[in-house]
Amino acid sequence: RKEVEQDPGPFNVPEGATVAFNCTYSNSASQSFFWYRQDCRKEPKLLMSVYSSGNEDGRFTAQLNRASQYISLLIRDSKLSDSATYLCVVTHWGGYGGATNKLIFGTGTLLAVQP
Amino acid sequence: DTGVSQDPRHKITKRGQNVTFRCDPISEHNRLYWYRQTLGQGPEFLTYFQNEAQLEKSRLLSDRFSAERPKGSFSTLEIQRTEQGDSAMYLCASSLERGGEQYFGPGTRLTVT
Repeated sequence: RKEVEQDPGPFNVPEGATVAFNCTYSNSASQSFFWYRQDCRKEPKLLMSVYSSGNEDGRFTAQLNRASQYISLLIRDSKLSDSATYLCVVTHWGGYGGATNKLIFGTGTLLAVQP
Repeated sequence: DTGVSQDPRHKITKRGQNVTFRCDPISEHNRLYWYRQTLGQGPEFLTYFQNEAQLEKSRLLSDRFSAERPKGSFSTLEIQRTEQGDSAMYLCASSLERGGEQYFGPGTRLTVT
């Protein structure tokens, strides 16, 4: 079983739709949580960090439930330019002195916003 | 451009050959990471440097793989005796400090024929 599991895709939605991505993680020692966006054949880029209190950045809202080990991302009023793969990412201290901060990625969910 | 750069961007090699990739991190970043991404999967951690010290290696990194960061600036990843299963995108990332955002380079796409 993968440490970070995401919804299988692809998600095909019309412009203006609201779309939700879900993610679960298995390591209760996970410390930090993120959503990354990856365009086709490009590198991943940080979309937003995820905090226990929930956080919002424009049309994007991220939620974290530590008890259920569950992370979500909500995109409202989706745009054509939102089409990409969304990667759920966790970190936990490990390795030398607990300072590695390596990113552990889910497999990603492909979003295709249709005109 | 002051982002992370990687060279080459694409590499096609025959099975059994050795290949070497280079990563130039953002200049003031002391942490450098290598990841590997195969089709349909998220990136997987390979190894990590703090300055010139290699502090962690994934068990994914077999004996055929070696990474260096000799002066704490650029890094190289070498794969010896390549196998078809090594075909993947090799991504480099750098960050300023523990917990700092990791910035990824454009990757080197390796195809082993």
